[in-house]
Amino acid sequence: DVKVTQSSRYLVKRTGEKVFLECVQDMDHENMFWYRQDPGLGLRLIYFSYDVKMKEKGDIPEGYSVSREKKERFSLILESASTNQTSMYLCASSLRLHRNEQFFGPGTRLTVL
Amino acid sequence: SQQGEEDPQALSIQEGENATMNCSYKTSINNLQWYRQNSGRGLVHLILIRSNEREKHSGRLRVTLDTSKKSSSLLITASRAADTASYFCATVTIIQGAQKLVFGQGTRLTINP
Repeated sequence: DVKVTQSSRYLVKRTGEKVFLECVQDMDHENMFWYRQDPGLGLRLIYFSYDVKMKEKGDIPEGYSVSREKKERFSLILESASTNQTSMYLCASSLRLHRNEQFFGPGTRLTVL
Repeated sequence: SQQGEEDPQALSIQEGENATMNCSYKTSINNLQWYRQNSGRGLVHLILIRSNEREKHSGRLRVTLDTSKKSSSLLITASRAADTASYFCATVTIIQGAQKLVFGQGTRLTINP
């Protein structure tokens, strides 16, 4: 089975801190994604990557950056955390185009105080 | 931007009844997917229907797609208490060789024993 893991289930940080959210997948997937999920807004794409060192902005990239140095790992970085970045963060991965389903990690609930 | 919009936002039925959820979208799609999310967890892929397909089955799930109306429906037959979850449709387009999923806000389904 495909497994997508995220470094933390719950995280509490202070405003202005630099925050790293890590995601690892074990199935050699090309594509990886970061979403945030908020009540009433659904899932929104922050960034995605279709290959090592490649990244593309999603719908809401402001305030975030990403890093993909290895195929299995995709990191989301909050350069200076703000309270409006309190959210559930979901990582996902998928095979190339002939298999479009995405496999999600369990999520990281981030609270910024 | 295109977006899957689920209807209804919440649905509560008795165990054993059928549950139908609808999804509408705005622009051309490559395929449409349905996902399930248990409370506080990541999303789990249920079924994918391609733009040239009209109906697809998987166990107790039946998905239809009407591209002329830009709508899809998910039917869960003989519902069980364990089906209680949020269900999301996601429309897929291919951008620069990578898929982009756009999620709706979901339907919260409650199955009463």
